[in-house]
Amino acid sequence: DTGVSQDPRHKITKRGQNVTFRCDPISEHNRLYWYRQTLGQGPEFLTYFQNEAQLEKSRLLSDRFSAERPKGSFSTLEIQRTEQGDSAMYLCASSPSGNTEAFFGQGTRLTVV
Amino acid sequence: RKEVEQDPGPFNVPEGATVAFNCTYSNSASQSFFWYRQDCRKEPKLLMSVYSSGNEDGRFTAQLNRASQYISLLIRDSKLSDSATYLCVVNRYSSASKIIFGSGTRLSIRP
Repeated sequence: DTGVSQDPRHKITKRGQNVTFRCDPISEHNRLYWYRQTLGQGPEFLTYFQNEAQLEKSRLLSDRFSAERPKGSFSTLEIQRTEQGDSAMYLCASSPSGNTEAFFGQGTRLTVV
Repeated sequence: RKEVEQDPGPFNVPEGATVAFNCTYSNSASQSFFWYRQDCRKEPKLLMSVYSSGNEDGRFTAQLNRASQYISLLIRDSKLSDSATYLCVVNRYSSASKIIFGSGTRLSIRP
């Protein structure tokens, strides 16, 4: 399967714990996006990488959130000191160039209890 | 105001009906446009790109009006399998690419 893959698919964590999600984009895609989606809403933009550079970051991304893409390939999204409001689906997408569509992974569903 | 606005629906129509969704975007720098489909608890998947001249893919027709900053999707002869959420997507590309989603329009096709 050469699509976007995300790991884990599901994560249940206690409030206050740190969690880290991984995204492996389609191999030739240099653009990588993270989104958060809650029930009944469209995906909300969190951040965007072009190769290893993080070019844009949403105001939704508080200082508890950090994303990296160290070698311009896979990316990680870390949430520190999780809160119940962080419960959502976290989606990763990649695209080959600036003006084309993005391809999504299956997402990581986070539940904070 | 959200950058991409859609009627959330739900639209509940009989099989075989024609249904149309509208979407408006606020940033005139937006450069490329798409409709995505999302099934319950699944990731969004590209349905079709939207071109200025309008484009058709089988039963689906997409239109773009740059002057009015308006995008539409028409589904003809709807099938039960068309039941899903349809997401309007705008790509604002300059020095950085930012792909913005609307909240989605829910469509339910009844037999």
